[in-house]
Amino acid sequence: EDQVTQSPEALRLQEGESSSLNCSYTVSGLRGLFWYRQDPGKGPEFLFTLYSAGEEKEKERLKATLTKKESFLHITAPKPEDSATYLCAVQIDNFGNEKLTFGTGTRLTIIP
Amino acid sequence: DAMVIQNPRYQVTQFGKPVTLSCSQTLNHNVMYWYQQKSSQAPKLLFHYYDKDFNNEADTPDNFQSRRPNTSFCFLDIRSPGLGDAAMYLCATSREAPIRDSGAYEQYFGPGTRLTVT
Repeated sequence: EDQVTQSPEALRLQEGESSSLNCSYTVSGLRGLFWYRQDPGKGPEFLFTLYSAGEEKEKERLKATLTKKESFLHITAPKPEDSATYLCAVQIDNFGNEKLTFGTGTRLTIIP
Repeated sequence: DAMVIQNPRYQVTQFGKPVTLSCSQTLNHNVMYWYQQKSSQAPKLLFHYYDKDFNNEADTPDNFQSRRPNTSFCFLDIRSPGLGDAAMYLCATSREAPIRDSGAYEQYFGPGTRLTVT
C-alpha cells in the first residue's frame, strides 16, 4: 500500500532558526512529489513539484529536495509568516489516474 | 486571476438535512476533485472527474454524490449529513496528464467550505 509519512508532526522554531521537514514515502512508481502550504481554515497552496531523485526547487526561504525514499523541505531563516502546516503528497505511476496521496502534515510555528 | 472558488465558505446544516456545496474554476482544467479534510488529518479524496467521467473512491460513502454540469462547475451533495460528516470540504483542479506522458501536474485548491452539522 502506498504510504506517505511526515515528520515531525509539529515543530516550533525561533525566528531565524533554520530547520528541515521530512516526507518519507513508500510507493510503487513515483510520478511526482508535491509540497503544499496550508494556513488554518484555508485550502492548501501549491509550493513545489519534484519529479526525480536529486532534483531541487527553491522559493524564497524554502528549498525542497528529493531522494528515492524521501523529500525534505528546508526552511532558512524563517519568519513568523512562514507559520503554517506543510503537506507533502505523492502521485504514483498509474496512467490516467491523477490521484494524490497526502501525508498528515507538519505544523510549523515560528516564534518572533 | 485564474482561481478555484468555493461557496459557501461556511455551511451549517441540521442532522439529516441535505446540503449542496459548490465549486467553480476559471483555470479551464478538465480534472476536478472533491476532498474531505478533518482536523489535523490529511485531505481524503472522495471522487474526481475527468471532464464528465466520474471516478468514485471505493471508500466514499453513498451519502456523498457529485455533479459536474460543465467544465467550470462542480457540486458536492450530501444527502443525509451525519455528525461525522462535519469537516472542511476542499475542491481542487488540475490539468490531465497525457496517457503517454510521465509528467505530474499539480492540483490547485479552493479555499474550502467548513461544514458544521447540528
